[in-house]
Amino acid sequence: RKEVEQDPGPFNVPEGATVAFNCTYSNSASQSFFWYRQDCRKEPKLLMSVYSSGNEDGRFTAQLNRASQYISLLIRDSKLSDSATYLCVVKTGANNLFFGTGTRLTVIP
Amino acid sequence: GAGVSQTPSNKVTEKGKYVELRCDPISGHTALYWYRQSLGQGPEFLIYFQGTGAADDSGLPNDRFFAVRPEGSVSTLKIQRTERGDSAVYLCASSFTPDNEQFFGPGTRLTVL
Repeated sequence: RKEVEQDPGPFNVPEGATVAFNCTYSNSASQSFFWYRQDCRKEPKLLMSVYSSGNEDGRFTAQLNRASQYISLLIRDSKLSDSATYLCVVKTGANNLFFGTGTRLTVIP
Repeated sequence: GAGVSQTPSNKVTEKGKYVELRCDPISGHTALYWYRQSLGQGPEFLIYFQGTGAADDSGLPNDRFFAVRPEGSVSTLKIQRTERGDSAVYLCASSFTPDNEQFFGPGTRLTVL
């Protein structure tokens, strides 16, 4: 079983739409949670950390449900520039990161 | 300031050859990580250095893979007797301390023919 599972998509949404991505993680001892963004043929970059209380950064909202081992990312008012792959990432005790396969988003004009 | 740099950006080699991939972390970052990303997959952890020592090498797939960081800065990932299945993008990341954000380099795209 993979450490982190997410729907690979693709998600094709019109500009201005709201889109939600979900992922689940298998290790209940996981301590830190993140969403990374990766543009085509580029390196991953941290989008935001995810906290149990939920957190928001502009149009982006992240939620963590520890009981269900479930992480979500909500993007409101999608922009063309949001088109990318969104990687769900978990850190479990050790210092390496476990990545999901990524969910590909395309925002259509 | 300069980010993480990796050289070469692309490497094409033949099956059975030896390759070295280099990573220059952000200056002052004590932690350095190597990941491998295959097509359509997320990055997969290989090895983590704290200073000069390999603190966790549990992700190295087999003994053909080895990495060093002799002076606690630049790191080299070495792959012996390359196989076609080694073809992937090899990403390096560094962080100020292990608890801080990891910044990724642009990667080395390795193709084994």
